[in-house]
Amino acid sequence: AQKITQTQPGMFVQEKEAVTLDCTYDTSDQSYGLFWYKQPSSGEMIFLIYQGSYDEQNATEGRYSLNFQKARKSANLVISASQLGDSAMYFCAMRESYGGSQGNLIFGKGTKLSVKP
Amino acid sequence: ETGVTQTPRHLVMGMTNKKSLKCEQHLGHNAMYWYKQSAKKPLELMFVYNFKEQTENNSVPSRFSPECPNSSHLFLHLHTLQPEDSALYLCASSQVGGEETQYFGPGTRLLVL
Repeated sequence: AQKITQTQPGMFVQEKEAVTLDCTYDTSDQSYGLFWYKQPSSGEMIFLIYQGSYDEQNATEGRYSLNFQKARKSANLVISASQLGDSAMYFCAMRESYGGSQGNLIFGKGTKLSVKP
Repeated sequence: ETGVTQTPRHLVMGMTNKKSLKCEQHLGHNAMYWYKQSAKKPLELMFVYNFKEQTENNSVPSRFSPECPNSSHLFLHLHTLQPEDSALYLCASSQVGGEETQYFGPGTRLLVL
């Protein structure tokens, strides 16, 4: 079974609009971390935002926010006021503290976001 | 700038060549990682080093040989590779404890002919 599921292979958004990228995860750990990374066509994986499983408030970093719904095991990324430079692949990842991944990151397959002018 | 550098950025090699990929982190971290990213596949963890000691070898073929001489440098030695090894190789580093966010380098695009 997949630990991280990103159901949207590709998404389009109009410039200046908000967009939500979906991510669901599967773990039996109580302590875990959730991450989002951006990968432009250049290849570098850029860290965007982190949410800990015990954090009661949703994480925010500038135009990025993480909609964390623990009971539903979802950690969707919301990008507000999209810019052309936001066009990239976006990866959701999880780090379990005690699970089979032994503390390492598990990545989803990614969502390709295209921002239209 | 992420503080993690990788060289070379692009590499073309024949199946009989020997080459090395280099990664350097300037973040004071104590863990380093090698990942492989092939087309249309999730990122695959290859090796993990904590405090210069290898703690994970994710069933990687022996034609890939990692080396971590200190906590700031990580190498991936390549020999007798196969065309299916063509991929983007990403290095990352993190600080063990706390969030353990991994910061990535720009990657090396490898083509094996």
